[in-house]
Amino acid sequence: DQQVKQNSPSLSVQEGRISILNCDYTNSMFDYFLWYKKYPAEGPTFLISISSIKDKNEDGRFTVFLNKSAKHLSLHIVPSQPGDSAVYFCAATGSSGTYKYIFGTGTRLKVLA
Amino acid sequence: GAGVSQSPSNKVTEKGKDVELRCDPISGHTALYWYRQSLGQGLEFLIYFQGNSAPDKSGLPSDRFSAERTGGSVSTLTIQRTQQEDSAVYLCASSPPGGQADTQYFGPGTRLTVL
Repeated sequence: DQQVKQNSPSLSVQEGRISILNCDYTNSMFDYFLWYKKYPAEGPTFLISISSIKDKNEDGRFTVFLNKSAKHLSLHIVPSQPGDSAVYFCAATGSSGTYKYIFGTGTRLKVLA
Repeated sequence: GAGVSQSPSNKVTEKGKDVELRCDPISGHTALYWYRQSLGQGLEFLIYFQGNSAPDKSGLPSDRFSAERTGGSVSTLTIQRTQQEDSAVYLCASSPPGGQADTQYFGPGTRLTVL
């Protein structure tokens, strides 16, 4: 039972345009969400997070949006750069176990120069 | 400024053999996590160590899996009598005292292939 779903395994975007990566979750107890970025042969690195008390968090070119009623979050990258090409994972947890994150299967983003 | 290191980077073994995977966390990090990523799957939590507390082993998929952390630093994940479904990338992460997952630093992983 996949509690965190990333339904798009891959996405291609032209350099300079917006990249939108989507993530859906099923557990209404989740209240903290993160995005990680992973390059080949490296471990994932933390990118941005959002608490359920917010519906938006912005950090430079990266913005995460949370729609609690739809149990949906998205990561926007504007403008996209070739160096953003990587696999992006979303992850979620409930406050009862802050270290036990449920990860999605990842979306491979390719930014075309 | 060394990050989390893992060894070996790749391991190929025969079904039924035991394997040991090693993780060297960042110095001073009290928390250590093991995850695995099977093909087409997300990262799956396996086990969590925090300081001298009893580890949370709730993610270990079977009793063939065990992990220990010696001296609050290096950790070894052992898989006994490996099966083909154990083939995956095994990732280790560490975080500093008081840190949550957004301060997890991951190693590059060990790719395990069970033939």
